[in-house]
Amino acid sequence: GENVEQHPSTLSVQEGDSAVIKCTYSDSASNYFPWYKQELGKGPQLIIDIRSNVGEKKDQRIAVTLNKTAKHFSLHITETQPEDSAVYFCAPNGGTSYGKLTFGQGTILTVHP
Amino acid sequence: DAGITQSPRHKVTETGTPVTLRCHQTENHRYMYWYRQDPGHGLRLIHYSYGVKDTDKGEVSDGYSVSRSKTEDFLLTLESATSSQTSVYFCAIKDSRSNQPQHFGDGTRLSIL
Repeated sequence: GENVEQHPSTLSVQEGDSAVIKCTYSDSASNYFPWYKQELGKGPQLIIDIRSNVGEKKDQRIAVTLNKTAKHFSLHITETQPEDSAVYFCAPNGGTSYGKLTFGQGTILTVHP
Repeated sequence: DAGITQSPRHKVTETGTPVTLRCHQTENHRYMYWYRQDPGHGLRLIHYSYGVKDTDKGEVSDGYSVSRSKTEDFLLTLESATSSQTSVYFCAIKDSRSNQPQHFGDGTRLSIL
């Protein structure tokens, strides 16, 4: 099965700084790479995703970059704000059928005002 | 937000009792999933469904069963609850197109004493 490692496990930044979270996966058949944000007491919410035929995708302050050769993809958040504080998960699909995802262990991001 | 309702939202029960959690969707999506979330483990897939009466095991299925008798409802049953099944349980849904995101409910917090 897919092995997923996410780093760092915790990340503390000052408001306005950038934050980068990296996800490494093992299954070369993976072709879908989402990032989820989870706030306290809520379910994970998709914030950005990328498919294997694209190297980078941006949505306002959030971007995802994919390196299929090295089998890793990263979440980039620029101009961080306190409301970005949450737990972030990567969840590549391992090329599986039925849309199954394998989640990383999560990164706790804290943005200090 | 995706139309997903989990019930109950909180439950406390005793070891050895049966427990059923319900996931209800209003999106008419084909795929439904049950995950559990524990500290340090991210989200782990318990069971999933790819259609009415079509279900299969995930990564951590021991001690759990599921049923899907209609498109909108996916039930997770703990036949005889154990303390190791104390967790937060999330339901997710996905439509049938490939590489589309899963959307999550807000979870059920289950405590087994």
